[in-house]
Amino acid sequence: GENVEQHPSTLSVQEGDSAVIKCTYSDSASNYFPWYKQELGKGPQLIIDIRSNVGEKKDQRIAVTLNKTAKHFSLHITETQPEDSAVYFCAALFRVNDMRFGAGTRLTVKP
Amino acid sequence: KAGVTQTPRYLIKTRGQQVTLSCSPISGHRSVSWYQQTPGQGLQFLFEYFSETQRNKGNFPGRFSGRQFSNSRSEMNVSTLELGDSALYLCASSFTDGEKLFFGSGTQLSVL
Repeated sequence: GENVEQHPSTLSVQEGDSAVIKCTYSDSASNYFPWYKQELGKGPQLIIDIRSNVGEKKDQRIAVTLNKTAKHFSLHITETQPEDSAVYFCAALFRVNDMRFGAGTRLTVKP
Repeated sequence: KAGVTQTPRYLIKTRGQQVTLSCSPISGHRSVSWYQQTPGQGLQFLFEYFSETQRNKGNFPGRFSGRQFSNSRSEMNVSTLELGDSALYLCASSFTDGEKLFFGSGTQLSVL
């Protein structure tokens, strides 16, 4: 079936280091790939997204890359800070109004 | 602009009961989606509504149902609750196309 796989499930980095989270998706027709950050007690919040006609997108310390041929996309966070600690979810829009999410990555940034 | 509002924030029910959760989307947003979040299964898609019509449905039993009103507010109902229904239920709204989802803080349902 349609699914999104996300790795790793947990990631611990030192403050100032980079963090990379990777996802693969199954449906080659998917054309929209958002990333969400969820802090404790809150709902997921959209932090960056990319469409299939773009290979890379950057917003300050956050960047997303997409390899449509290989059906995988990645989130890159540079110069990590303690406030980056959260659970991150990748997602793919499989068809109109059907967003499927990865299982999440718990990122811990150690001061 | 107010965000997505979900009520109640916490709910405790017993097996066999039913429950109704409410979601008020961002003003102007016409699409409302519901997700179930559990530690083991992550975010699972329940269903999506647009202009009072269900456009999409995930793989959940018929005990899970929803509806949307003319003001775009949405409710979801779970009948004959089971222990496994304990989860955080998240509502998300978007303008029309279900792409940029804005989530509420969720309703934490515990079934005893």
